[in-house]
Amino acid sequence: GEDVEQSLFLSVREGDSSVINCTYTDSSSTYLYWYKQEPGAGLQLLTYIFSNMDMKQDQRLTVLLNKKDKHLSLRIADTQTGDSAIYFCAESIPGGYQKVTFGTGTKLQVIP
Amino acid sequence: GAVVSQHPSRVICKSGTSVKIECRSLDFQATTMFWYRQFPKKSLMLMATSNEGSKATYEQGVEKDKFLINHASLTLSTLTVTSAHPEDSSFYICSTTQGEIQTQYFGPGTRLLVL
Repeated sequence: GEDVEQSLFLSVREGDSSVINCTYTDSSSTYLYWYKQEPGAGLQLLTYIFSNMDMKQDQRLTVLLNKKDKHLSLRIADTQTGDSAIYFCAESIPGGYQKVTFGTGTKLQVIP
Repeated sequence: GAVVSQHPSRVICKSGTSVKIECRSLDFQATTMFWYRQFPKKSLMLMATSNEGSKATYEQGVEKDKFLINHASLTLSTLTVTSAHPEDSSFYICSTTQGEIQTQYFGPGTRLLVL
């Protein structure tokens, strides 16, 4: 299956850390991604992780991958109001053409 | 990364008319582009994969005759919503991929409202 699920909403205070979680079902995925969508705009790639990695850090962003449990998370340190957006996790499935399945999206609200 | 544009950004049309949305890859040649549809507060639904010089590959449940895709050049793919109905109102986003990690670069989207 290709279901990718996320919680719908997360609210945090400015300066705190945010953790957005994602579960997926296809164990053959090669890359997993986090995208950010601001209101009325397309998606912007934030970071990605190869499926044989456990963790990747990129400035304020930390991605954790638990392949056994098919669980992916994105931690944003020192969350700012500009981080308010919808965050989508996604996985790429090998074989055929390049197909990426997106999660349901988590709306992050940062309270000043 | 790749830069992708879409035109128009917003369009309002009457039921029964056709609407064409353009997706352009501005800084590299894209043999493959993707068309997504996004409903309010929902994820992206892949509609079709647009292949330069050949027929598009449609996802299950997407009507080929209603959503016409043309990818005549390496920098332009078009999606035409034919005989539009109010239920076709949505946010349509295109993307292209680049690089080994299959990063998708998205256009800014087109908001379609069918009256």
